[in-house]
Amino acid sequence: LAKTTQPISMDSYEGQEVNITCSHNNIATNDYITWYQQFPSQGPRFIIQGYKTKVTNEVASLFIPADRKSSTLSLPRVSLSDTAVYYCLVGRSNDYKLSFGAGTTVTVRA
Amino acid sequence: NAGVTQTPKFQVLKTGQSMTLQCAQDMNHEYMSWYRQDPGMGLRLIHYSVGAGITDQGEVPNGYNVSRSTTEDFPLRLLSAAPSQTSVYFCASSYQGRTDTQYFGPGTRLTVL
Repeated sequence: LAKTTQPISMDSYEGQEVNITCSHNNIATNDYITWYQQFPSQGPRFIIQGYKTKVTNEVASLFIPADRKSSTLSLPRVSLSDTAVYYCLVGRSNDYKLSFGAGTTVTVRA
Repeated sequence: NAGVTQTPKFQVLKTGQSMTLQCAQDMNHEYMSWYRQDPGMGLRLIHYSVGAGITDQGEVPNGYNVSRSTTEDFPLRLLSAAPSQTSVYFCASSYQGRTDTQYFGPGTRLTVL
């Protein structure tokens, strides 16, 4: 299973872009990269998933370089409501024992 | 479509008591799992199931039992509650496997005195 490393916390201000980088040096060929968001007192919520290059949806963008040893979640123009914990997961369909790490706590200030 | 539902939302137990946390999903998902989340920490996998009649242990299975008699339901049983099991418990489901989008329930906050 690919081990992931991400910053423990990040601070930002409303309207700024937030970029969270996740390192996964031993990612395997069949592994996907998935990001979840968790608000206080709620279960995690899927944000975005990718395999290579760039993926964009209405919430975020995911940038994956050619070597796939890291990935960056980009949150454009954050607001106070984007304050949450963000988790990076790396694995494939049969990685049933994959657990969430501590994640990155993003705090957005006014 | 209710998604993933969990009951109860809150529970207080005394040491040694047993109880069952309920989890149900109406999305016809094959994969279901239970996590616990302690303050300031990520989610740790307790047990999971890849389909009715099939369960397996996760990272922290001790003190918990599961069964999966139907696709919809995946209850988690605490056999003899201990203070170390005080935590927030989340149930999740997905269509196929772990890398497919997981849908989480609202959680059960359990306190063991």
